[in-house]
Order: sequence, then C-alpha cells, then structure tokens
Amino acid sequence: AQSVAQPEDQVNVAEGNPLTVKCTYSVSGNPYLFWYVQYPNRGLQFLLKYITGDNLVKGSYGFEAEFNKSQTSFHLKKPSALVSDSALYFCAVRDMNNAGNMLTFGGGTRLMVKP
Amino acid sequence: DGGITQSPKYLFRKEGQNVTLSCEQNLNHDAMYWYRQDPGQGLRLIYYSQIVNDFQKGDIAEGYSVSREKKESFPLTVTSAQKNPTAFYLCATNLGGHTPSTDTQYFGPGTRLTVL
Repeated sequence: AQSVAQPEDQVNVAEGNPLTVKCTYSVSGNPYLFWYVQYPNRGLQFLLKYITGDNLVKGSYGFEAEFNKSQTSFHLKKPSALVSDSALYFCAVRDMNNAGNMLTFGGGTRLMVKP
Repeated sequence: DGGITQSPKYLFRKEGQNVTLSCEQNLNHDAMYWYRQDPGQGLRLIYYSQIVNDFQKGDIAEGYSVSREKKESFPLTVTSAQKNPTAFYLCATNLGGHTPSTDTQYFGPGTRLTVL
C-alpha cells in the first residue's frame, strides 16, 4: 500500500521569503516521489521528482525538494517566493515495485504568496 | 499540457444521461490514466490503461467506463450510474515501462463536468 499526506491545507508567505510545502509518505518498498503544481482550471504541471541518488532534487521554476528517508518526507522548497507561485501544489508517491506506475496523490496544499 | 488534449473544456449533462470525455495524446506514451478531482480533495484514480486493448479499474471505477482501441485515445464515459458526477476530470499519460528517468505522468488540461 502507498499513501501520502500534506498536513497543511494552505501556506501563506510573503513575496521574497523562503517557502516550504510539506509532504510525508508511506510505501512498503522504495519510493518514487513527485511534486506537481496546478493553476486554476488547469491540469497539473510536473515540477520535480525523486527516484534515487542525491536527496536534494532541483526542478522547474526554482523549486527544489529534499528527500528524507528517516522522516519519510519530501518537502518542497523555494528560497524566494514569487506572487506568481500562488497555486495548488500536490505531492505524489508510488512504490517502485508498483507495476502499474500508479501514483497516489496528497490532498493538495494551497500556496498564497502576498506582495 | 502540451501533447495531451482533453475535450470539451466544459461539459453540462442532465441527470440520467451518459457523456463521453475525450483524451488524445501525441506523445507516443503507452500508459494513460483518468483521474477525478473534487474541491478540497486530491486526485482519485478512475481507470488506467498500460497498453492498447487493455485497461484496469482504479479506486473509484463504479459508474464509469473506458476503452483503449488506439494508443492515442482513451475516452471516458460517465454513465447515469455515477451518482455524483460533477467534478473536474483529468487525463494523464506516462511513457510506461520501468525506466525511472522517464517514469513521469503528464496531465492534460482537464474537463469540468457539471450535472444540471
């Protein structure tokens, strides 16, 4: 079984400040972890993923995420937030042994960046 | 969203009617997926297909049906048996196989279905 939790429904941050969006996961094997962003009435856009190797993953638009196996976390970070980063963010996980490549998504975290 | 098209963008249905949502892709991806998104909730998997002429139920398949007659197309039919069909429907594709570097789902722009 695989599951993912995003403990915060909303994160508020001032423009220029660092941001963190939290994600924790549970899998029986080794995880593949993903972050997606969704703007209103749009599909999900892929930001970054962790499959193996370096625990710090860099992705699109200056975002990065840190894989922490002991804490089963994959928090999304950005050093300096932009107003345009305001959107809905989804973390997703799949067990690398999942034959169907099926993802399990968290409930989403709304990021609000204020000028 | 490039390479994956969903139509229509908005769809209105009367109760008791079946409707079909289109998903087409030109990415040459083997795997295709249908998700449902409700406000305040994450995505839930309806059906998926890893290869032409084969598909599997996801977590919430009741009241839905699919077909995969062509690699490029994976239409979803919302039947009258689906009791609460109003939602945002998202189609996704994946190259498939087990190569980690290419193992990523990409999403279409979505169809918003409203039952009147």
